Amino acid sequence: EIVLTQSPGTLSLSPGERATLSCRASQSVTNSYLAWYQQKPGQAPRLLIYGASNRATGIPDRFSGSGSGTDFTLTISRLEPEDFAVYYCQQYGGSPRTFGGGTKVEIK
Amino acid sequence: EVQVLESGGGLVQPGGSLRLSCAASGFSVTSYGITWVRQAPGKGLEWLSGMSASGHTHYADSVKGRFTVSRDSSKNTLYLQMNSLRVDDTAIYYCARWSGYGDSWGQGTLVTVSS
Repeated sequence: EIVLTQSPGTLSLSPGERATLSCRASQSVTNSYLAWYQQKPGQAPRLLIYGASNRATGIPDRFSGSGSGTDFTLTISRLEPEDFAVYYCQQYGGSPRTFGGGTKVEIK
Repeated sequence: EVQVLESGGGLVQPGGSLRLSCAASGFSVTSYGITWVRQAPGKGLEWLSGMSASGHTHYADSVKGRFTVSRDSSKNTLYLQMNSLRVDDTAIYYCARWSGYGDSWGQGTLVTVSS
């Protein structure tokens, strides 16, 4: 099983700042099959990125994903008020599919 | 519009059973995979199981042997049969259209296992 470790656990930033979230895999993720999701309280997860760097439909271009192998990054270039949420990575290169523990982006 | 809608959650005693439904619209469950993910109160996301478009099923070790996925193509609906439920199965259960990742999620259905 591929274990995904997200860091930091909590990121305290102000609107307008840049957010950099990390997702590290215990073994290489095949074909960079890694996705990122955003989840707000009381809501379902929302797909942001798939294939490590492809934005999902309707996702603003301030969200970008990068990485390969075991190290992946989600970057939010300039935080908007609606971006404060929990972010999860998920790999689909191996079975079973697994999620990271999440990073909470909170208002400083 | 692509949508999935979960139903069937509720309160069940430990050792009991429950069947969740995931009704799909805007696409066919024989053309796309569907997966089940749960979230315990205050916790992260846990992948549970899924069925591919071809009907192949996969399960997490935590539910293998207790949970079973099936589908009714005529109703465009997937089911999650949950048996031998435990207190730690208490969670919101989500279904999602799945291409390895979930691109359309339902709002979830709450399952509470308690005596």
